[in-house]
Amino acid sequence: QKEVEQDPGPLSVPEGAIVSLNCTYSNSAFQYFMWYRQYSRKGPELLMYTYSSGNKEDGRFTAQVDKSSKYISLFIRDSQPSDSATYLCAPLRSTDKLIFGTGTRLQVFP
Amino acid sequence: DTGVSQNPRHKITKRGQNVTFRCDPISEHNRLYWYRQTLGQGPEFLTYFQNEAQLEKSRLLSDRFSAERPKGSFSTLEIQRTEQGDSAMYLCASSLPVGQGTYEQYFGPGTRLTVT
Repeated sequence: QKEVEQDPGPLSVPEGAIVSLNCTYSNSAFQYFMWYRQYSRKGPELLMYTYSSGNKEDGRFTAQVDKSSKYISLFIRDSQPSDSATYLCAPLRSTDKLIFGTGTRLQVFP
Repeated sequence: DTGVSQNPRHKITKRGQNVTFRCDPISEHNRLYWYRQTLGQGPEFLTYFQNEAQLEKSRLLSDRFSAERPKGSFSTLEIQRTEQGDSAMYLCASSLPVGQGTYEQYFGPGTRLTVT
């Protein structure tokens, strides 16, 4: 079993939709949970991260962690075509390496 | 540009050749990480440095792979006797020292390796 599971998509939504991206993980020791966005043939770009359980909001993006169910979510409000990318969840193991999911490919069409 | 930089951006090599990639981290970051990403997958951890010390190596890092960070600034990743299975995007990331209250890793643009 992989430590982090993520639906690869693709997820296709119309502009303006609310998008929900999700991951599950198996290691209860994870404390920090990162979300990265990656455009085709580019390096991952850090969007936001949360510590332990709870919500964090940054503009149109909200990250949510439920440690009891080992479930991580990223919500995108008012989605734009420029949001079309692959979204990677990545819990941080201890203080060193990131454990990435496979990424979910999102397409927002006008 | 004060982000993480990687060179070259693309490398095409023949099977059996050696290749070397370079990563320059963000200047105040003392931690440097190497990851590998294949098509359709998320990045996988290879190794990381704190200053010049290499603190962990993944089992993915076979004997043909070696990484260095001689002066605690830039790092190099060398692959000897390349194989077609080494074809991937090699990503470098850096972060602030542990204890500064943040664990964010910032990635460079990657080096795309194609082994023919």
